[in-house]
Amino acid sequence: QKEVEQDPGPLSVPEGAIVSLNCTYSNSAFQYFMWYRQYSRKGPELLMYTYSSGNKEDGRFTAQVDKSSKYISLFIRDSQPSDSATYLCAMSRVNTNAGKSTFGDGTTLTVKP
Amino acid sequence: DVKVTQSSRYLVKRTGEKVFLECVQDMDHENMFWYRQDPGLGLRLIYFSYDVKMKEKGDIPEGYSVSREKKERFSLILESASTNQTSMYLCASSLPSGRFGTGELFFGEGSRLTVL
Repeated sequence: QKEVEQDPGPLSVPEGAIVSLNCTYSNSAFQYFMWYRQYSRKGPELLMYTYSSGNKEDGRFTAQVDKSSKYISLFIRDSQPSDSATYLCAMSRVNTNAGKSTFGDGTTLTVKP
Repeated sequence: DVKVTQSSRYLVKRTGEKVFLECVQDMDHENMFWYRQDPGLGLRLIYFSYDVKMKEKGDIPEGYSVSREKKERFSLILESASTNQTSMYLCASSLPSGRFGTGELFFGEGSRLTVL
């Protein structure tokens, strides 16, 4: 079983919808939780990160971590066509090299005008 | 802005050929990584380097080698390409985590390799 499972998608929503992207994990040692966004034919870029539990908001994006349930989510409010991309969750332990993060397989989101 | 540049966006090679994928970063990052990305398998770490001439195996190093002669450059080498190495290859760099937070990964745009 994979350490990180991500809702596979693909996901297609109308413009303006609220989007929920989710990952579950099995390793309780994970403390850093990241979301990367990858546009078609591009490399991933860091969108948001949280340390330990709680919520973090940045504009239309909210990252949520529930360590008791080993569940993380990324919410996108008022989704836009420019949000169409693949979203990857990633997690790592404290004092672990970031490049050794464990990634989910990604969820492809399409926001239709 | 941090820039990670991969030398080739698209390559087509034949089975048995030696393949070099080059990656250069311009932010003086200590750490550099090579991943491959495949549908349904996500991102898998092939090799990484935390200093010049230092390297460590990732999760799937078989069939690959790496070279880091200068801090800014990290090369991935396929000694004898095989069809199962057809994939998207992503290079990334980062500062060490812990001292600088999460150690955010900065990725290049990828090199799509097809082995015939």
